[in-house]
Amino acid sequence: DGGITQSPKYLFRKEGQNVTLSCEQNLNHDAMYWYRQDPGQGLRLIYYSQIVNDFQKGDIAEGYSVSREKKESFPLTVTSAQKNPTAFYLCASSMGMGPGYEQYFGPGTRLTVT
Amino acid sequence: QQPVQSPQAVILREGEDAVINCSSSKALYSVHWYRQKHGEAPVFLMILLKGGEQKGHEKISASFNEKKQQSSLYLTASQLSYSGTYFCGTVPVMYSGGGADGLTFGKGTHLIIQP
Repeated sequence: DGGITQSPKYLFRKEGQNVTLSCEQNLNHDAMYWYRQDPGQGLRLIYYSQIVNDFQKGDIAEGYSVSREKKESFPLTVTSAQKNPTAFYLCASSMGMGPGYEQYFGPGTRLTVT
Repeated sequence: QQPVQSPQAVILREGEDAVINCSSSKALYSVHWYRQKHGEAPVFLMILLKGGEQKGHEKISASFNEKKQQSSLYLTASQLSYSGTYFCGTVPVMYSGGGADGLTFGKGTHLIIQP
């Protein structure tokens, strides 16, 4: 079955540590995205990538980094510079980049930093 | 800029109808609708594009008023499975007339369907 996988589902880290969230898709989609979801805030865009080896900052990129070395993979690193990293992180992909393309979401990773 | 959704929450009995609204301060190229159940991934419902094109699930009904920069999602004869949080996402018109890449989501509307 085609889809997006994120691992792990729950992640716990100590403050000051970097942590990398995994996102893999087998939909052969060109575009991939990372969103952060906080209670009552909706989804906010962190980074997005249209093609391999290219990515752009979204609305809340500070304290995060990404890479896109393979079409199917778009890992997100939450660095120690992110002031409030505890959140639900969602990865998504779409066939293309543009206003008419629907996005498909992974199941999410809930990160807790203490 | 984040679109505004209304109402923030609504509670219905099974079989009743609901309307969820999404409005923006910017001219829009497209409006996207997603539904998310608690702890799960958002699921695509519909895209409404400038000029009248729509794509999405046949059982979902929505409208897009370009002049008012508003969209509404219509849920008729609601079923228990319709419960969840509904998000609209908007793509503004760029100065060139095309759509921007970025999709900005509203804060969501919580829908609870009771038996």
